[in-house]
Amino acid sequence: SQTIHQWPATLVQPVGSPLSLECTVEGTSNPNLYWYRQAAGRGLQLLFYSVGIGQISSEVPQNLSASRPQDRQFILSSKKLLLSDSGFYLCAWRAAQTTDTQYFGPGTRLTVL
Amino acid sequence: RKEVEQDPGPFNVPEGATVAFNCTYSNSASQSFFWYRQDCRKEPKLLMSVYSSGNEDGRFTAQLNRASQYISLLIRDSKLSDSATYLCVVSRYSSASKIIFGSGTRLSIRP
Repeated sequence: SQTIHQWPATLVQPVGSPLSLECTVEGTSNPNLYWYRQAAGRGLQLLFYSVGIGQISSEVPQNLSASRPQDRQFILSSKKLLLSDSGFYLCAWRAAQTTDTQYFGPGTRLTVL
Repeated sequence: RKEVEQDPGPFNVPEGATVAFNCTYSNSASQSFFWYRQDCRKEPKLLMSVYSSGNEDGRFTAQLNRASQYISLLIRDSKLSDSATYLCVVSRYSSASKIIFGSGTRLSIRP
């Protein structure tokens, strides 16, 4: 069966510091991968998605970036965090070329101080 | 206008009540529909897919009306554990990014 991992679970970072969040998927090949952010009390905002290694699409302009160095690894990064980057970051996967459902990882709760 | 719209609630109902949520979508090319449940400070989890003929899973019934472009979720005999935010999700084929989440409807079940 497929599983999705995210780490760390929680993170407190100062403004201006760098960020690296990692997501890995097991039990599937060539998945579509997604990064979402959810601000407190708000809906999901799609940040990036990837259909393959090295292929990243950005949905919103921001100071974040994403990379997919391996088929089942998706990384979210920032060189300098802003206060507004605080939120709940969720990674998700979906089988490629389908309209199947997405499955979410447990998320990383980021607080920027 | 948002592509997927939901009443944000909150819905506050007594245990044992029946509660219904609606969700509307604007793109007629949408092909797949889902309801997710999100508990406080947790990731969203799939509750059920929504099929054209309607489908039921225990106390939960989902309906799709393509002509009117809305999806519904009915919860019967509600339990305290049903308290959560319910997200309506719409998907289109061949575009990896075209999975649209509604903002969610908050449900609170009181004893």
